[in-house]
Amino acid sequence: QVQLVQSGAEVRKPGSSVKVSCKASGDSSSKYILTWVRQAPGQGLEWVGGVIPLLGTKKYAQNFQGRATIITDGSTNTAYLELSSLRSDDTAVYYCARERSTCDGTICYKTFDYWGQGTLVTVSS
Amino acid sequence: DIQMTQSPSSLSASVGDRVTITCRASQSISDFLNWYQQKPGKAPRLLIYAASNLQRGVPSRFSGRGYGTEFTLTITSLQPEDFATYYCQQSYSPPTWTFGQGTKVEIK
Repeated sequence: QVQLVQSGAEVRKPGSSVKVSCKASGDSSSKYILTWVRQAPGQGLEWVGGVIPLLGTKKYAQNFQGRATIITDGSTNTAYLELSSLRSDDTAVYYCARERSTCDGTICYKTFDYWGQGTLVTVSS
Repeated sequence: DIQMTQSPSSLSASVGDRVTITCRASQSISDFLNWYQQKPGKAPRLLIYAASNLQRGVPSRFSGRGYGTEFTLTITSLQPEDFATYYCQQSYSPPTWTFGQGTKVEIK
């Protein structure tokens, strides 16, 4: 059974940074591709960033360009999301999710099939 | 970027009702459309992928259909555990993912 375990809740002041971790376990036969999604209180889901598998490069949603950094450690199946220059509207639950490809011939469909439990990041002065 | 729009934003229904949620994409996304269910305080759960394929373990009362720009999620015979918020997600342009704004299904 795949498990994604995230680090605990964080409280930060505006202008500071936060680093959230996500450790994957349970399916050693798969190469994990982890992505990050956030959810502000009472709001919907917003993709933050992820990895382009073939290139190994990271891509970020426009809202997070220059502020978000995703780091992956393949040796420990752990991904990190660092968000800098925090603002009060960055207060949210941050989820990591495993990206999985299900292929039908040459067409591959991507989903987020397993999710972490979420990490609440509170930005407040 | 591809925009995803769900309707309605919320609905009230009774146990046993048939419920349909619509998701529209701002451009054609073929059948690269996923549906998720989220309960309060919990992470989302994948229900349907590739517009109409049921994820393993998901009850058969959930179904999805659609192609191009218009998609639907239907729950036949709504159960108490189905009261939740549902999100569509386009997977046409990974790793840039877009979700709909969500549809909250409440008890009437």
